[in-house]
Amino acid sequence: GQQLNQSPQSMFIQEGEDVSMNCTSSSIFNTWLWYKQDPGEGPVLLIALYKAGELTSNGRLTAQFGITRKDSFLNISASIPSDVGIYFCAGRRNAGNMLTFGGGTRLMVKP
Amino acid sequence: SQTIHQWPATLVQPVGSPLSLECTVEGTSNPNLYWYRQAAGRGLQLLFYSVGIGQISSEVPQNLSASRPQDRQFILSSKKLLLSDSGFYLCACGTGGPEAFFGQGTRLTVV
Repeated sequence: GQQLNQSPQSMFIQEGEDVSMNCTSSSIFNTWLWYKQDPGEGPVLLIALYKAGELTSNGRLTAQFGITRKDSFLNISASIPSDVGIYFCAGRRNAGNMLTFGGGTRLMVKP
Repeated sequence: SQTIHQWPATLVQPVGSPLSLECTVEGTSNPNLYWYRQAAGRGLQLLFYSVGIGQISSEVPQNLSASRPQDRQFILSSKKLLLSDSGFYLCACGTGGPEAFFGQGTRLTVV
């Protein structure tokens, strides 16, 4: 299926730094989701966004649904070692459609 | 809330041997069910999805097949494994909303 363009592909940062990653698409999505996958585990839903312009926080995580409905970003503030993993964005156009996933951002945090 | 069980967690199989991976869901009824494959360090590739018992849609041609014998059971099979079938297999379910929830995954190594 169609892939969302997720960037960066990987990040290696120092503990305490802030992190930003984003997803873009040439098509409109009506729902944006952000998942985190720990090594050897299945992805876990972090944040779900349902309205254009919506800004939602979950602890140190903040995600926004772009106004154009063609992009979304995820920020992590004050990173810690347990933030290590692969972060995936996903979009859904309409009810009943499949989720389209981005290629993932691999985050590595140096203590 | 739903719980997704996948087994086994890891599997090493010789080339040419058959495969059967099972996924069961608890806490919901009539879910949409999905099988994804993830190559090492890569994104999620949708293999199959099912909207009901006996209803299977394939997203990519491959050496694998899927079946849904019961409402909350989804099985991924192969008659003869290839080396290229190695990967991390994830079962996921959708329960009416736009989100998908993942199992813990099965790491398959074909030797």
